[in-house]
Amino acid sequence: DAGVIQSPRHEVTEMGQEVTLRCKPISGHDYLFWYRQTMMRGLELLIYFNNNVPIDDSGMPEDRFSAKMPNASFSTLKIQPSEPRDSAVYFCASNQARAYNEQFFGPGTRLTVL
Amino acid sequence: QKEVEQNSGPLSVPEGAIASLNCTYSDRGSQSFFWYRQYSGKSPELIMFIYSNGDKEDGRFTAQLNKASQYVSLLIRDSQPSDSATYLCAVIPTADGLTFGKGTHLIIQP
Repeated sequence: DAGVIQSPRHEVTEMGQEVTLRCKPISGHDYLFWYRQTMMRGLELLIYFNNNVPIDDSGMPEDRFSAKMPNASFSTLKIQPSEPRDSAVYFCASNQARAYNEQFFGPGTRLTVL
Repeated sequence: QKEVEQNSGPLSVPEGAIASLNCTYSDRGSQSFFWYRQYSGKSPELIMFIYSNGDKEDGRFTAQLNKASQYVSLLIRDSQPSDSATYLCAVIPTADGLTFGKGTHLIIQP
């Protein structure tokens, strides 16, 4: 299994631009999570899906952030418009339905907003 | 607000010694506890999970949980330079999402 796949691995954009991050979870996993990691705030849960349905988006910082999961093998996290304070590493993770809740993380997308 | 607290370190331990990492959590209803290891520039990977009070051992790693004190720890025996990383404590306070501490940076000195 290839593990969780994220793209792009690095993204540099200018303030005000739209940014779309992509994730392919491990096949057969029912849950998908989006996290953001910064030095100041650590690793924060943004939103998670169960069977493609958003369950909890209370961690999404602002309306500028949106996430979708159109099918079991693909999810996107969109930031529009982007701001410099959005600069962070964004991780996607997936796991099976409450096995023992081990989450498998993707390699992350390092986002820099200038 | 549900919080997970860790000493950020760095925690410096000589090679071969025992490294002790600590974590406290605020939500008394938390049921599941995890330790993740994160190397610089890499993604977190699960080391241990524990659900019940007491100790759980896996090779050189031992997780300890005390729900009354809302405290969980990770012991690494016979520390190796390859253990140098940031260790993240994570808790499931309610449903499925993990709440992470900010991590402890561990340095194993050869």
